[in-house]
Amino acid sequence: SQQGEEDPQALSIQEGENATMNCSYKTSINNLQWYRQNSGRGLVHLILIRSNEREKHSGRLRVTLDTSKKSSSLLITASRAADTASYFCATDAWGGGNKLTFGTGTQLKVEL
Amino acid sequence: DAGVIQSPRHEVTEMGQEVTLRCKPISGHDYLFWYRQTMMRGLELLIYFNNNVPIDDSGMPEDRFSAKMPNASFSTLKIQPSEPRDSAVYFCASSPMTGVDTGELFFGEGSRLTVL
Repeated sequence: SQQGEEDPQALSIQEGENATMNCSYKTSINNLQWYRQNSGRGLVHLILIRSNEREKHSGRLRVTLDTSKKSSSLLITASRAADTASYFCATDAWGGGNKLTFGTGTQLKVEL
Repeated sequence: DAGVIQSPRHEVTEMGQEVTLRCKPISGHDYLFWYRQTMMRGLELLIYFNNNVPIDDSGMPEDRFSAKMPNASFSTLKIQPSEPRDSAVYFCASSPMTGVDTGELFFGEGSRLTVL
């Protein structure tokens, strides 16, 4: 079963707007990661946030983590058409071995 | 570095045939993962290796699936016999895993398998 569930499943916005995607998970984690997948391509790592961190930034990306609610959010600011892709959260479960369990993904479409 | 290299990129085969998917991880990465992606089930971890040793194969669907890593630069995922429900995109990923927790995974471009 999926450890992470992303919300919304699909999101359509205009270029320049901000995009927010949410991820909920079920078990305690060591870290949570976000990945991007362009159509027909492999996944690309975006950012990693550890369980003792609450917020992290990387360029136009901002990730928050709330371990009490078992949730994370990914904010993409000033979105561009090139940001159109699917975005996945992935969790490294505490005591789960060195592996990631991926969520269901959010399909983001950024229109000109 | 060329990144994780997978072959073939596309494979169409008939039910009952043997399928072999190949992966060359990034040099120096100790961990190798095989994932399967479908619309219905999303991304599922099939098996992963550490230093060429299988660590967790609990995600392998059934005995028709097998994976090997004979050396640090090569891994195969074999399906024998193949069935239409095996149709999916199969991803290989590697990781240097230098810390105590799971680090960044580097994915290949995937092998799209269609079983008729």
